[in-house]
Amino acid sequence: KNQVEQSPQSLIILEGKNCTLQCNYTVSPFSNLRWYKQDTGRGPVSLTIMTFSENTKSNGRYTATLDADTKQSSLHITASQLSDSASYICVGLHYSGNTGKLIFGQGTTLQVKP
Amino acid sequence: NAGVTQTPKFRVLKTGQSMTLLCAQDMNHEYMYWYRQDPGMGLRLIHYSVGEGTTAKGEVPDGYNVSRLKKQNFLLGLESAAPSQTSVYFCASSYHPRTATYEQYFGPGTRLTVT
Repeated sequence: KNQVEQSPQSLIILEGKNCTLQCNYTVSPFSNLRWYKQDTGRGPVSLTIMTFSENTKSNGRYTATLDADTKQSSLHITASQLSDSASYICVGLHYSGNTGKLIFGQGTTLQVKP
Repeated sequence: NAGVTQTPKFRVLKTGQSMTLLCAQDMNHEYMYWYRQDPGMGLRLIHYSVGEGTTAKGEVPDGYNVSRLKKQNFLLGLESAAPSQTSVYFCASSYHPRTATYEQYFGPGTRLTVT
């Protein structure tokens, strides 16, 4: 069964600190893995997309890693800001026929406190 | 360029009532999707469309119908609402999944409560 599991479910950190979110996936056939940021009351917005041949990708203070052998990914946030408070969703993509289907994790809710 | 828009933003229905959620996109995308998001669960695909006049079932299609009469619009209908359909509904659109820059763009969501 295609699924994506994330940990922790929620996290509270102080402004300026770093944090790492984890994702385990079983998506087959696997195409790529994404991290989305979802602000409260908004739709998800893509942060990074990595194929199985990419180990790491950065987007500003966000750095995602991918280990295709262990089927694990992480999202590292450096020098957190209050605006980083959001839900972070790990998403796997696999192709099925003529469509690409996104398999969503349940998300990690991050709260950054001043 | 508004991207993906959804109407309404909020709605409260009584059990058994019907309603239609409207999604519109101005990016000339072929593909459109309807998801629902429930607490503690990932987004789940309800229905999707690979082009004007086409629709297909996703992971949780029961109790919903869809129509794609125009390329830019994708409608989600609830014929007889049930409390289990209380959720936040997201519409998304994309180019063909095999394009190099495949990405789904999401609307702001519709929060639906069925009492």
